[in-house]
Amino acid sequence: DAGVIQSPRHEVTEMGQEVTLRCKLISGHNSLFWYRQTMMRGLELLIYFNNNVPIDDSGMPEDRFSAKMPNASFSTLKIQPSEPRDSAVYFCASSSREGAYNEQFFGPGTRLTVL
Amino acid sequence: AQSVAQPEDQVNVAEGNPLTVKCTYSVSGNPYLFWYVQYPNRGLQFLLKYITGDNLVKGSYGFEAEFNKSQTSFHLKKPSALVSDSALYFCAVRDIFRGGYNKLIFGAGTRLAVHP
Repeated sequence: DAGVIQSPRHEVTEMGQEVTLRCKLISGHNSLFWYRQTMMRGLELLIYFNNNVPIDDSGMPEDRFSAKMPNASFSTLKIQPSEPRDSAVYFCASSSREGAYNEQFFGPGTRLTVL
Repeated sequence: AQSVAQPEDQVNVAEGNPLTVKCTYSVSGNPYLFWYVQYPNRGLQFLLKYITGDNLVKGSYGFEAEFNKSQTSFHLKKPSALVSDSALYFCAVRDIFRGGYNKLIFGAGTRLAVHP
């Protein structure tokens, strides 16, 4: 299995531009998590999907951020318009089932720099 | 609310010496605890978890963790450190919320530096 796949691995953009980050889950997994990691704030959970349905989006910073899961294996995180303070590493993670024992498998991350 | 604390930002240890990375937790109910490791420019990797049973949990790469209910701790340990163990280590606890769904709450992370 290829593991969780994220693209792009690096993104440099200018303030005000739209940014779309992509994530492909491990086959058979049905839970998807988007995280953001910065030096100042550590690892933050942005949004959590289960069976394609958003369960908890309380971590989404503001309306500029949106996430979708159009099918069982793919998700996008969009920032529009982007701001310099959005610069961070964004991870997605998937797990195999909703339950007490689930481990999360992380992708390699997308390093976003907003100038 | 569930939470974990990692009291040390960084731990330094000489290669071959035992290492301990500390984690304490605060939960209502039974704790489900996890350790993850992050190598440079990589995503987090699962190391081990405690759900129930033996207080000493063995995981990947020779790591183990000891669950201590009275001290509300779940410290990560390894008998003999390797330079390749140098990484960022995260403790996490399960948090159940509405509808019975659960997610992980991560600590701030502890950077482990193993010196030759």
